[in-house]
Amino acid sequence: NAGVTQTPKFQVLKTGQSMTLQCAQDMNHNSMYWYRQDPGMGLRLIYYSASEGTTDKGEVPNGYNVSRLNKREFSLRLESAAPSQTSVYFCASRGGSYSNQPQHFGDGTRLSIL
Amino acid sequence: GENVEQHPSTLSVQEGDSAVIKCTYSDSASNYFPWYKQELGKRPQLIIDIRSNVGEKKDQRIAVTLNKTAKHFSLHITETQPEDSAVYFCAAPKGNFNKFYFGSGTKLNVKP
Repeated sequence: NAGVTQTPKFQVLKTGQSMTLQCAQDMNHNSMYWYRQDPGMGLRLIYYSASEGTTDKGEVPNGYNVSRLNKREFSLRLESAAPSQTSVYFCASRGGSYSNQPQHFGDGTRLSIL
Repeated sequence: GENVEQHPSTLSVQEGDSAVIKCTYSDSASNYFPWYKQELGKRPQLIIDIRSNVGEKKDQRIAVTLNKTAKHFSLHITETQPEDSAVYFCAAPKGNFNKFYFGSGTKLNVKP
């Protein structure tokens, strides 16, 4: 039981390049999330998906797009990377729809944009 | 994160002392409040949570208290140990409860 798996673990991009971060969960969870973590800023919600086929914006969606490919997978795309998007990106999943269940996090993707 | 405020941002205690971290939230409909611990370079991991139908929950040295009237909840760690040193985050749902927002984190340093 792997939980939440993120790929890649590390990536360096040049400004203007595009990139897709992958996330997959094997817990049959309905909800999935993408957060970014900058030093001293905590975790900020980029996008989330309450269920397969639905996505919605969080606090900081500009510059990102997401795809809920199926129940297991939720990807985050940077179409034209900018240095301000240098961060650690965490994917999380959560069981239930309106039930009060915790989020389970992946190990993160450390992204640097030069 | 949006509408979740966490204090203090840093906390330094002597081993064996207690530590308290407080969070406030804005959505009165919020009904679930988790706390996460994040060690350096690692993922956030759930340490305790509380649902709105109770006022306090304990798990060994860790407890969480909830005041729904004042819209705040607190993490209490007793008999702190050096391995408790980490960053702690609170979180609260907003709106339809699928959207979770996090506090800005508290860096706890337990001095041996």
